[in-house]
This record gives sequence, C-alpha cells and structure tokens, in this order.
Amino acid sequence: AQKITQTQPGMFVQEKEAVTLDCTYDTSDPSYGLFWYKQPSSGEMIFLIYQGSYDQQNATEGRYSLNFQKARKSANLVISASQLGDSAMYFCAMRPRGGAAGNKLTFGGGTRVLVKP
Amino acid sequence: GAVVSQHPSRVICKSGTSVKIECRSLDFQATTMFWYRQFPKQSLMLMATSNEGSKATYEQGVEKDKFLINHASLTLSTLTVTSAHPEDSSFYICSAEDRPHEQYFGPGTRLTVT
Repeated sequence: AQKITQTQPGMFVQEKEAVTLDCTYDTSDPSYGLFWYKQPSSGEMIFLIYQGSYDQQNATEGRYSLNFQKARKSANLVISASQLGDSAMYFCAMRPRGGAAGNKLTFGGGTRVLVKP
Repeated sequence: GAVVSQHPSRVICKSGTSVKIECRSLDFQATTMFWYRQFPKQSLMLMATSNEGSKATYEQGVEKDKFLINHASLTLSTLTVTSAHPEDSSFYICSAEDRPHEQYFGPGTRLTVT
C-alpha cells in the first residue's frame, strides 16, 4: 500500500518569497512517480511537476522545483518568487509504475498556501 | 496541454433521483479515465478506474451499483449517481491520461442532493 503524508495543513508566505511544501511517502514499489498538483478555489486540479523515482536530477518547471530525496522518501515542492495567484491548496501524489496498482494516484491530505501581499 | 472537460459543473438534484456526470478528453484519446470524490477541506479519493470498452474497476468501499461508470468511447466516460442521497453531495472530479505520467483533471462537478 502507498501512503502520502503532507504535514503542513496551512502556510502563509510573503509575496516574492520562496516556500517549501513538505511531502513524504511510503511505498514498497521499486519504481514510482511523484506529482504535485495545485487546486485553486475553483476546484480544478492543475498539474505542476513530476518526478520519476529513477530520475537522476530533481525536476524543475518554471518557478516550481521538486526537492527529491529518495533515501528519506521525501518529495518537497519549492515555489520560488511567490505570487498572489499561488494561493491555493497543493497536493502531493504518487503512482506506482506498473504492477497491480496500475495508474492509480494516491494523494496526500494537502497544504493550503496563502500568499500575503 | 491536454484538456479534460466535465459536464455539468454544478448540479442540484432531489433525493432519490439519479444524476449523470460526463467526462470528456477534448484533444486526446484516453483508454483510461479515473473518477475521484472530494469532500470539503479533504483530499481526493479515487472511486474507480474507467477503462474504455470494459467494466470499471472500483476501489474498496465504493458501491458499484450506486456509482455506475460507463466508458463508451476513447474520449468519454460517464458517472451516474443512482438514487442519490444527501450524503452523496460532494465534488466529483475525473481525470484522463494523455501520456504515461501526465494525468489531466477535469474542472469537477459539484453535486448537491436535497
């Protein structure tokens, strides 16, 4: 079974500063993918960034970067230069690559980020 | 990027009636789509995996007779909530895979059962 833990229920961040959202996971699958999604108040889930468990480098997408520490089973999201539009819920998710679980995503509980002007 | 639509975005129905929610992949074909449920201030919980041309695979605890899923084509999956009750009120979100590790979500459907 897979489990995703996001220990920060809510965070405040000052505009233009960086923020790190924590995500730890537990899995017995040898190969897996890690995802971060943003969910604004409108409810849509917006894909931000992906990290494969065998990727040699940490993933980056614009202002988003993933601090992947495989030995610690953590996949923290770093948002640089925060903007007011970054205020939203952020979900970490994991999916095994292959196996009986197929393509199913398991989500963490989420972290609500509020960017202050 | 890949676009997934859902219809309706909001629906209010009376207890005991059924409601159908559509999920469409607009610019790609999806052999697999997923249906999630999200209660207020909670995370997404996978309800079922919808496979084109075959029966859906339901997660443990999800009543397949209550939540009917049909994946009739490579671009359309439907979720029908049968005999809806107030406790079925929730935010229902579908997703579809464009490429192996990119799962795109629809905008969600807010169901309110009165």
